[in-house]
Amino acid sequence: EVQLVESGGGLVKPGGSLRLSCAASGFSFSYHTMNWVRQAPGKGLEWVSSISTGSHYIYYADSVKGRFTISRDNAKNSLYLQMTSLSAEDTAVYYCARYGDADPFDIWGQGTMVTVSS
Amino acid sequence: QTVVTQEPSFSVSPGGTITLTCGLSSGSVSPNYYPSWYQQTPGQAPRTLIYSTNTRSSGVPDRFSGSILGSKAALTITGAQADDECEYYCVLYIGSGIWVFGGGTKLTVL
Repeated sequence: EVQLVESGGGLVKPGGSLRLSCAASGFSFSYHTMNWVRQAPGKGLEWVSSISTGSHYIYYADSVKGRFTISRDNAKNSLYLQMTSLSAEDTAVYYCARYGDADPFDIWGQGTMVTVSS
Repeated sequence: QTVVTQEPSFSVSPGGTITLTCGLSSGSVSPNYYPSWYQQTPGQAPRTLIYSTNTRSSGVPDRFSGSILGSKAALTITGAQADDECEYYCVLYIGSGIWVFGGGTKLTVL
């Protein structure tokens, strides 16, 4: 079964850091670009970042550029998001999503909640 | 800053047809923006309906179709059903590796 499972969310204070992980299974992880997408409570979806198969191409939304770092370990079938200088505006469910053949977000994880609050 | 626009809400009668749109704050949407559409029910992850303008994702009923109408991408739902009532999001590729989601359309079937 093709599956993405996020972990690492939780409560963090403003200015703090957190590292999210996404474990992939059931497909050839190294062959796919991967994404992070977030959704603030009661709000819409926001694309956060993408990373190519070999990590050569990395992109960020302006809202997180300079604070978040996406990475991957193809040997461990894992995707990561290192988040620093967190603020309340970063409070959201964070989804990892696979870029399929032509569908940019064809497989989604169940999400992990990040809450930034003092 | 590029803003992707969607109707905040829409209503349709059961069995009816509705077209949701996805536009740009400035400019027209074309297939070069690779418009995709996602359906999300409360508490669940989104799932793909349409990608690359008009390609239906595997398992999606042919009641759902995508197109370009005028200057916008469009998602048309025919024969609306009660379980179509949820949130619909479009996303556009604006270049340089950047994707932008629309604000979503909450569809009510009544």
